[in-house]
Amino acid sequence: GESVGLHLPTLSVQEGDNSIINCAYSNSASDYFIWYKQESGKGPQFIIDIRSNMDKRQGQRVTVLLNKTVKHLSLQIAATQPGDSAVYFCAENRSGGSNYKLTFGKGTLLTVNP
Amino acid sequence: DTEVTQTPKHLVMGMTNKKSLKCEQHMGHRAMYWYKQKAKKPPELMFVYSYEKLSINESVPSRFSPECPNSSLLNLHLHALQPEDSALYLCASSQEGGGGSPLHFGNGTRLTVT
Repeated sequence: GESVGLHLPTLSVQEGDNSIINCAYSNSASDYFIWYKQESGKGPQFIIDIRSNMDKRQGQRVTVLLNKTVKHLSLQIAATQPGDSAVYFCAENRSGGSNYKLTFGKGTLLTVNP
Repeated sequence: DTEVTQTPKHLVMGMTNKKSLKCEQHMGHRAMYWYKQKAKKPPELMFVYSYEKLSINESVPSRFSPECPNSSLLNLHLHALQPEDSALYLCASSQEGGGGSPLHFGNGTRLTVT
């Protein structure tokens, strides 16, 4: 089975609220994580990444948190906007395996209500 | 707009047809990828090229044949496909192995096999 999964398959929020999308991984050797946003009819779009030597990384309106103790990754979106509506995937690269193989989680559908 | 360009955007083909999907990037990336994505599922890795050489084949059936003519181009040749091969085919590139840098995806080719 997949080692990268999500706690919630769907998330609905009000415009302006903060969103938190979660991801669990099972391989403690994973050392690089990426969040992607995929809008309908488009390919996955890179949002933010984080390496295992970090706990937190911030971008524009987004923050990724990594908790290696419980093997948990989250994406926080501040002041969520309708344009943030999409499917969000986390992906992990497992150290020791091929550097080229990213494993994707199942995805969370984020719906932003105006 | 994505910096990875895929053509065609849509393709309908019969099971006896031969067709090709094309991908192009001009970011100087040395790794290129083919992924397959079914509806409401995460992308699944098919092939990886590193420095124009095939480095990973995820046990993909031989009716899919990849080709990397140069560092900017990636093709996927299709022959004798089955209806279950209908999916979104995504091309991606990265600066180095996926363990060190994020993959940049194109918007995909929506393939329908009749």
